[in-house]
Amino acid sequence: DAMVIQNPRYQVTQFGKPVTLSCSQTLNHNVMYWYQQKSSQAPKLLFHYYDKDFNNEADTPDNFQSRRPNTSFCFLDIRSPGLGDAAMYLCATSRAGHTTNEKLFFGSGTQLSVL
Amino acid sequence: KQEVTQIPAALSVPEGENLVLNCSFTDSAIYNLQWFRQDPGKGLTSLLLIQSSQREQTSGRLNASLDKSSGRSTLYIAASQPGDSATYLCAVKGQGGSEKLVFGKGTKLTVNP
Repeated sequence: DAMVIQNPRYQVTQFGKPVTLSCSQTLNHNVMYWYQQKSSQAPKLLFHYYDKDFNNEADTPDNFQSRRPNTSFCFLDIRSPGLGDAAMYLCATSRAGHTTNEKLFFGSGTQLSVL
Repeated sequence: KQEVTQIPAALSVPEGENLVLNCSFTDSAIYNLQWFRQDPGKGLTSLLLIQSSQREQTSGRLNASLDKSSGRSTLYIAASQPGDSATYLCAVKGQGGSEKLVFGKGTKLTVNP
């Protein structure tokens, strides 16, 4: 049974056209993360939510935004996608918090293409 | 700034061979280290988590070790199988009170039948 679900599996958008990726979880975990992974590269953390608290990484472009309307759902909004934003976007969850040894659970990812 | 390096980037072995994947990190002040598996075009699956106070963790044919002082971890896979073919990534969680995991780029393992 899928516990972290990402939709869609593949997303094609046009240069500059806003796009939203979604993530849902059935684990009731406090923390939800968004990672960006380019081909053969390490996943790079964009931001995460600890409950309702949003934590942005310092080097995450302003073009990337996120919303978490409730515990189960989290969205990644890319306001004006550029060609360099084409990547796999991975959502993950954990039980929290920063002083625990909880594992991360990942979704299958959304592969974003920008034309 | 924590940096995680995995060597080699790719490894090809015949079925049945025992193998070791390496991970090194620059800042030894870590909270834990995790090994993940990633199949092509998919998300990551957590394999093993080693707390900073631990030296190793085992799960089935997998054994992960941690030497925090030297900034190294290894993932040992015994009796490799074609189904083990995947990319293996390690990630460290710092002690600085952040939820952030810093990942390596991974080692792409191919086990040939």
